[in-house]
Amino acid sequence: AQKVTQAQTEISVVEKEDVTLDCVYETRDTTYYLFWYKQPPSGELVFLIRRNSFDEQNEISGRYSWNFQKSTSSFNFTITASQVVDSAVYFCALRFNQAGTALIFGKGTTLSVSS
Amino acid sequence: NAGVTQTPKFRILKIGQSMTLQCTQDMNHNYMYWYRQDPGMGLKLIYYSVGAGITDKGEVPNGYNVSRSTTEDFPLRLELAAPSQTSVYFCASRGAQSGGSSYEQYFGPGTRLTVT
Repeated sequence: AQKVTQAQTEISVVEKEDVTLDCVYETRDTTYYLFWYKQPPSGELVFLIRRNSFDEQNEISGRYSWNFQKSTSSFNFTITASQVVDSAVYFCALRFNQAGTALIFGKGTTLSVSS
Repeated sequence: NAGVTQTPKFRILKIGQSMTLQCTQDMNHNYMYWYRQDPGMGLKLIYYSVGAGITDKGEVPNGYNVSRSTTEDFPLRLELAAPSQTSVYFCASRGAQSGGSSYEQYFGPGTRLTVT
């Protein structure tokens, strides 16, 4: 089965706390791509990161970092020193290495950051 | 460069009415997609297209139709609107060429549809 699971439905933190959003995926393919998208209250989908299955290097971009571990089929997302503007729904998604294939999305995690 | 545009942004339909959601991309992408997003859920694929004249069903195609007569346009048709089709609809596109741009899906701003 091809599936993405985001077990955390909602997370609430206070500003400046660190927060980790979990993503677990299932696939039998050896080549695939993982993504994180942010959906702020305005509703648009904002691309955050793509990771190839053959590249397990962690990545840091400002306050954001991603931990990809094939051994546990996880692609977790950490926000350091969270801010109110980080409040949004965050989606993890999976795509296979075939022409035209679409994204398979998790159900999303709603992050609320209060001041 | 407008990216992916969708019209309308909002629409209220009565049960049984028909409408077409428009989607246009100006990036010369071969692949285009329609997703729907229900409250508390991730996006689910309705239909997709790998090029002009070629379309295929996704996970939730019932009640919808699509066509792809040009590379740029990928309209989604609702023939007999039902309350279960109340949702937010996103169109997306992706390039087929190798390189970084082929990996990312670009999303439109969405259409919020209510059927009453």
